[in-house]
Amino acid sequence: GAVVSQHPSWVICKSGTSVKIECRSLDFQATTMFWYRQFPKKSLMLMATSNEGSKATYEQGVEKDKFLINHASLTLSTLTVTSAHPEDSSFYICSAGREIQETQYFGPGTRLLVL
Amino acid sequence: AQTVTQSQPEMSVQEAETVTLSCTYDTSESDYYLFWYKQPPSRQMILVIRQEAYKQQNATENRFSVNFQKAAKSFSLKISDSQLGDAAMYFCAYRSGGSNYKLTFGKGTLLTVNP
Repeated sequence: GAVVSQHPSWVICKSGTSVKIECRSLDFQATTMFWYRQFPKKSLMLMATSNEGSKATYEQGVEKDKFLINHASLTLSTLTVTSAHPEDSSFYICSAGREIQETQYFGPGTRLLVL
Repeated sequence: AQTVTQSQPEMSVQEAETVTLSCTYDTSESDYYLFWYKQPPSRQMILVIRQEAYKQQNATENRFSVNFQKAAKSFSLKISDSQLGDAAMYFCAYRSGGSNYKLTFGKGTLLTVNP
């Protein structure tokens, strides 16, 4: 159990367009999901905490209007990168918390390349 | 704020040998959780082992074990009988004991396993 999926696994888009990334918990309900960004050979940087049915909590320095997060159900959170620019190119990872076990399980990540 | 320090950017080990990865953390909390995650070249984050701070017994998972020294705020990972598949980036992570699931990651240690 505790499987988290992400879609798409990679995406290439033109500068100025918006890209949506989905994160799903496949075999458990996740009241809380997290979105991370990771640069090559670096650690994970938390972008925001996504709570089902309420507004996301963003980390300091993360633009809320740039990175829109929606957590519409207990198994799905989405991250939309709006008006993407080349500097938004990165590896985006989501994770979901299983409250009982208090452990985060990670999705396989999404590689975003903005041209 | 909590901080997690991994002082070894890179480590190497011979196949079948034992290696220990270091992790120290700083916190004023008494209730918390510690984790080791593995990130192989696929970049999928995989939970290796977790330790609850209130437990004195060190966690073990097959060939993986931890040396948890609460007073020293140290949480090292020992990998026994190293295998080629253990080659990966290893991240130490801290989580508060409350309802906030946020993880604080160290910068990671890149482990190479030599045949």
